[in-house]
Amino acid sequence: EVQLVQSGAEVKKPGESLKISCKGSGYIFSVYWIGWVRQMPGKGLEWMGIVYPGDSDARYSPSFQGHVTMSADKSFDTAYLQWSSLKASDTAMYYCARRGIYQGAFDIWGQGTMVTVSS
Amino acid sequence: EIVLTQSPGTLSLSPGERATLSCRASQSISNSHLGWYQQKPGQAPRLLIYGASSRPTGIPDRFSGSGSGTDFTLTISRVEPEDFAVYYCQQYNNSPQAFGQGTKVEIK
Repeated sequence: EVQLVQSGAEVKKPGESLKISCKGSGYIFSVYWIGWVRQMPGKGLEWMGIVYPGDSDARYSPSFQGHVTMSADKSFDTAYLQWSSLKASDTAMYYCARRGIYQGAFDIWGQGTMVTVSS
Repeated sequence: EIVLTQSPGTLSLSPGERATLSCRASQSISNSHLGWYQQKPGQAPRLLIYGASSRPTGIPDRFSGSGSGTDFTLTISRVEPEDFAVYYCQQYNNSPQAFGQGTKVEIK
């Protein structure tokens, strides 16, 4: 079965760092871009960017450039999203998704990682 | 940067009725790289339509997509109880590959 499994929920304080993960299985992980999507509580989907596990090439939305870092380790079939200094406004559900076999639309989604940032 | 505007914000329908959802782009989307997703509460989104009008394997044929250029439509021919959800369009041709703000389909 093709799937993406994300790391568990996190509770952090403002200013702390964080790295969440997204592990693929059931397909050749290194040849499909992985995207990250933010969903703030009660709000819509926001495209953050994409990373290519084959060489860790990353493309960011201007809205997120400089605030997060996307990376991947093809040896572990895992993509990562990290922050060096969290803000309360980073509280959200974060989804990873595969740009897959349907022209590059997001065809496989992870279950989401809830990140809560609160003092 | 392409901005997608969905309408209406909320659609109130009874089961069995037809649903028509609109997605308008601020500039033309090349190659019809436009997708539609369904999201139910507490769940990850699911791909319903890609390439503006194609259905992935396993998506029921009551879901159909149409349009090109800047105007796209998702149609649910007869809404089933499990179709009440929020629907998003997304263009994946140019970065940033933005989503629309969503249309909620609710029970009337």
